[in-house]
Amino acid sequence: DVKVTQSSRYLVKRTGEKVFLECVQDMDHENMFWYRQDPGLGLRLIYFSYDVKMKEKGDIPEGYSVSREKKERFSLILESASTNQTSMYLCASAQGGISGNTIYFGEGSWLTVV
Amino acid sequence: DAKTTQPPSMDCAEGRAANLPCNHSTISGNEYVYWYRQIHSQGPQYIIHGLKNNETNEMASLIITEDRKSSTLILPHATLRDTAVYYCIVRRAGNQFYFGTGTSLTVIP
Repeated sequence: DVKVTQSSRYLVKRTGEKVFLECVQDMDHENMFWYRQDPGLGLRLIYFSYDVKMKEKGDIPEGYSVSREKKERFSLILESASTNQTSMYLCASAQGGISGNTIYFGEGSWLTVV
Repeated sequence: DAKTTQPPSMDCAEGRAANLPCNHSTISGNEYVYWYRQIHSQGPQYIIHGLKNNETNEMASLIITEDRKSSTLILPHATLRDTAVYYCIVRRAGNQFYFGTGTSLTVIP
């Protein structure tokens, strides 16, 4: 079974702190994604990566950066956390290519910025 | 510009078929339609996907219109455990998966 593991399930951080959310997948997938989920807004794509050291902005990249140094690992970075970044963050992975490849999700990381 | 449009909520009686509609009028010829569901506080779970033809698996059936501008997810015999938010997704060019706001399905005893 595909496994996408997010390092932290629940985090509480202070405004201005640097926050790292880590994600690891074990299926050698080319594509990895970071979404955030907020009530009434569904899942919104922050960044995605289709290869090591490659990244593309999603719909809401402002305030975030990402790092993909190894194929299996995709990190989301909040350089200076703000209260409006309190949210649930979901990491996902999928094989490359435009054809029908399923996307697999982690269990989510609940981040509260105080 | 909307990628997928779904009703925000639906109810279904337990044991009956749940039919969840989705509009994706701007879908391109090589983009697949996916359905996922999400139970509270968990990551989304894959249900089914298709390109042109109708598809069926052990969880659900997917009906895609001939012009591919809309689709319907069918849960043939809904149970209380099917209460969840259901997302209809098209895979955009460049490998992105675009999620809308989904349909909150409540199965009523």
